[in-house]
Amino acid sequence: RKEVEQDPGPFNVPEGATVAFNCTYSNSASQSFFWYRQDCRKEPKLLMSVYSSGNEDGRFTAQLNRASQYISLLIRDSKLSDSATYLCVVRYGGSQGNLIFGKGTKLSVKP
Amino acid sequence: EPEVTQTPSHQVTQMGQEVILRCVPISNHLYFYWYRQILGQKVEFLVSFYNNEISEKSEIFDDQFSVERPDGSNFTLKIRSTKLEDSAMYFCASRSLQGYGKDTEAFFGQGTRLTVV
Repeated sequence: RKEVEQDPGPFNVPEGATVAFNCTYSNSASQSFFWYRQDCRKEPKLLMSVYSSGNEDGRFTAQLNRASQYISLLIRDSKLSDSATYLCVVRYGGSQGNLIFGKGTKLSVKP
Repeated sequence: EPEVTQTPSHQVTQMGQEVILRCVPISNHLYFYWYRQILGQKVEFLVSFYNNEISEKSEIFDDQFSVERPDGSNFTLKIRSTKLEDSAMYFCASRSLQGYGKDTEAFFGQGTRLTVV
């Protein structure tokens, strides 16, 4: 069974805070891992891919632990514009595989 | 910047009617997908399409659903006899061919909000 589980939140944080989201996936055959961002009633947009060695893009850091089947996203120095739902996404089945989405974690950054 | 476009943005239909949701993927992409998101729920995979045929479909994608790529640019999702529970946002996505071991990003259209009454 292919499942992606996330804490639904909401996370309510002040501007400038550091916030971390966690995600677990059920199928060890998973190939690729991503964090997507979804604004209210909009389409998902890729935030960043997640690599085994961990990767950073500005204020965002993603980590992958294949042994624990666990993915994380860290946002430093939160901005008001970071308010959105963050979707943990896993690709199964190789290059043609489809994306399986977690339900998302809602983040609200307050002034 | 190239983008996936979907029409219409909002469709209201009566239960039992057929609807066709249209998508124009990014021109050099080879993988195409339909996803749906019921309000307040997660994005769910419906079907993937590659090389002019369905690659994979989910349990949701039953006999009332079909997909077509009629003319090399459009990618359509048809729902033959809509039910109330088909009300959702339907997202089309496309992706280019994976190369050199690197995965490629799936780009999503802005969605069609389907309301079945």
